[in-house]
Amino acid sequence: GAGVSQSPSNKVTEKGKDVELRCDPISGHTALYWYRQSLGQGLEFLIYFQGNSAPDKSGLPSDRFSAERTGGSVSTLTIQRTQQEDSAVYLCASSLDSGANYGYTFGSGTRLTVV
Amino acid sequence: AQTVTQSQPEMSVQEAETVTLSCTYDTSESDYYLFWYKQPPSRQMILVIRQEAYKQQNATENRFSVNFQKAAKSFSLKISDSQLGDAAMYFCAYRTSTSKLTFGTGTRLQVTL
Repeated sequence: GAGVSQSPSNKVTEKGKDVELRCDPISGHTALYWYRQSLGQGLEFLIYFQGNSAPDKSGLPSDRFSAERTGGSVSTLTIQRTQQEDSAVYLCASSLDSGANYGYTFGSGTRLTVV
Repeated sequence: AQTVTQSQPEMSVQEAETVTLSCTYDTSESDYYLFWYKQPPSRQMILVIRQEAYKQQNATENRFSVNFQKAAKSFSLKISDSQLGDAAMYFCAYRTSTSKLTFGTGTRLQVTL
């Protein structure tokens, strides 16, 4: 696609429910990144994919968080048993490759609200 | 670990004036890349400007320029002839050739008439 697409744009969920956030990167981009942005905070790295594998998942805050990427394209971030502290904007970015020569293109994020 | 610090949570500038946003970083690497991103209310992060650490010349993009001081580990953004559309959150970011982007906490820029 022309840009990085994230869905849903907004999600309100009850505490304890599971949620899935989707990221559709730019076609041909092999690197994909998930970040979390809490209110008034910077972007916190969650996980990085190169192709379908995740060389760096060091930012996932707990085992309730998981992510996968299939076909070297779409990625899904799953949060199980959501908690109120999971409320944030979840941003996805893709890059032609993981090298620093290549810039990141970000999506518009999913705003998750846990009530 | 690399850290990026933006010490100005909020800044304000009058339209057509110039404003400078500050950023410092901490790293033991010699080869790295620095970025400024803009985040308007639409939430999408937009790349404003980037600087390779091995380049001594400061990067410029139209009304946006940087003052890169490698020894001081400082990377400030200057916006000239500020426009209403420049109002946004601005994030400074750092990465090496093998690491992901690390962001500062951002500076909210207001542009007044």
